[in-house]
Amino acid sequence: TAGITQAPTSQILAAGRSMTLRCTQDMRHNAMYWYRQDLGLGLRLIHYSNTAGTTGKGEVPDGYSVSRANTDDFPLTLASAVPSQTSVYFCASSDSGALAEQFFGPGTRLTVL
Amino acid sequence: GQNIDQPTEMTATEGAIVQINCTYQTSGFNGLFWYQQHAGEAPTFLSYNVLDGLEEKGRFSSFLSRSKGYSYLLLKELQMKDSASYLCAVMDSNYQLIWGAGTKLIIKP
Repeated sequence: TAGITQAPTSQILAAGRSMTLRCTQDMRHNAMYWYRQDLGLGLRLIHYSNTAGTTGKGEVPDGYSVSRANTDDFPLTLASAVPSQTSVYFCASSDSGALAEQFFGPGTRLTVL
Repeated sequence: GQNIDQPTEMTATEGAIVQINCTYQTSGFNGLFWYQQHAGEAPTFLSYNVLDGLEEKGRFSSFLSRSKGYSYLLLKELQMKDSASYLCAVMDSNYQLIWGAGTKLIIKP
């Protein structure tokens, strides 16, 4: 079972360019999440989706957008990247119910120059 | 504001016991999670507490006191593979996880 996958593994991006980070899960989880992890800080929620067709803003949504066209995929788009968006991005999913554990993808390391 | 505090780094000896503390102040409480994260890898779930008391799972145990806003993760019979960061996270009233910065645990032979 693949679980949850992310692509690319890493990327160097010029400031001002756009990019989409891909996330796919095969566990049929309703809820999906995007986090960023920066040194010395906890994981911070960017956007989330409780079910296909709905999305919501997390703690740090500015500069990012998401879509949830189906259960399996939850792409994260940076419309015009800035250096402060250099981070490790984790996608996660969880089963129905807010109290279910979250399963994380392997992460995407993004550097914006 | 919402805040999760845990020590930045701890060192322990192989075979010993270590306790990692976590204190929290959040808007509402719907449970506390502990995750393990090895360097360069994704976090993986360890434990969940929603009621006061101790939850034991093999070599790992997690304790919660809601009145004190306090939890700890207890690791027994430490092994070298336990070297990792341990993340404390609280689910708030909006059912979103608020994460601590993590405690880096270094195990020495």
